[in-house]
Amino acid sequence: EVQLLESGGGLVQPGGSLRLSCAASGVSFANYAMSWVRQAPGKGLEWVSGVSGNGGSTYYADSVKGRFTISRDNSKNTLYLQMNSLRAEDTAVYYCAKGVPQNWFDPWGQGTLVTVSS
Amino acid sequence: QSVLTQPPSVSGAPGQRVTISCTGSSSNVGADYDIHWYQQLPGTAPKLLIYGNNNRPSGVPDRFSGSKSGTSASLAITGLQAEDEADYYCQSYDSSLSGSVFGGGTKLTVL
Repeated sequence: EVQLLESGGGLVQPGGSLRLSCAASGVSFANYAMSWVRQAPGKGLEWVSGVSGNGGSTYYADSVKGRFTISRDNSKNTLYLQMNSLRAEDTAVYYCAKGVPQNWFDPWGQGTLVTVSS
Repeated sequence: QSVLTQPPSVSGAPGQRVTISCTGSSSNVGADYDIHWYQQLPGTAPKLLIYGNNNRPSGVPDRFSGSKSGTSASLAITGLQAEDEADYYCQSYDSSLSGSVFGGGTKLTVL
């Protein structure tokens, strides 16, 4: 059974940076594309970014393009999201999920909360 | 505003049937991209409910079904149970945005 565990969330000031991690187990990690999806407090879901299994192809929502970078280390079964120039509107629970933007996401991790505030 | 449009809320009594609509456009649902549905119980991560318009992952009861036609899709839940009370989201791919898009979510209340 695939399990995903996010970490790295926390409180950061506007303009600051944060790196999220997502550790995968129970899956041949390198065989699967992965994505990040976020949910602002009390709001709906928003796809953020995706990466192919070998890391060679990356995809971003317009709202984060140029500020966020997705990457993966297949030797560590870990997905990352480097978030720079953070804004208040980036405040959300960030979920990692197995899947590409063109298809469905399954499963999802439990999420990690990022709060951007001074 | 979300790219895919869902009603904010629906409700039904136990045992009844409810449907949740998801309306898109020619760059997503109407461009023949598949629709997927998720259930999010309070305080938990979303869970895949329907994939590829009308397919249920293992473990999802057959009370849940999906359909798609033109630029719209629907999730139907029959035999409503109290445990179905949750938020439901549709998702597809949008060729104009070159990314995945979600509906705004629908809160299902079991009366």
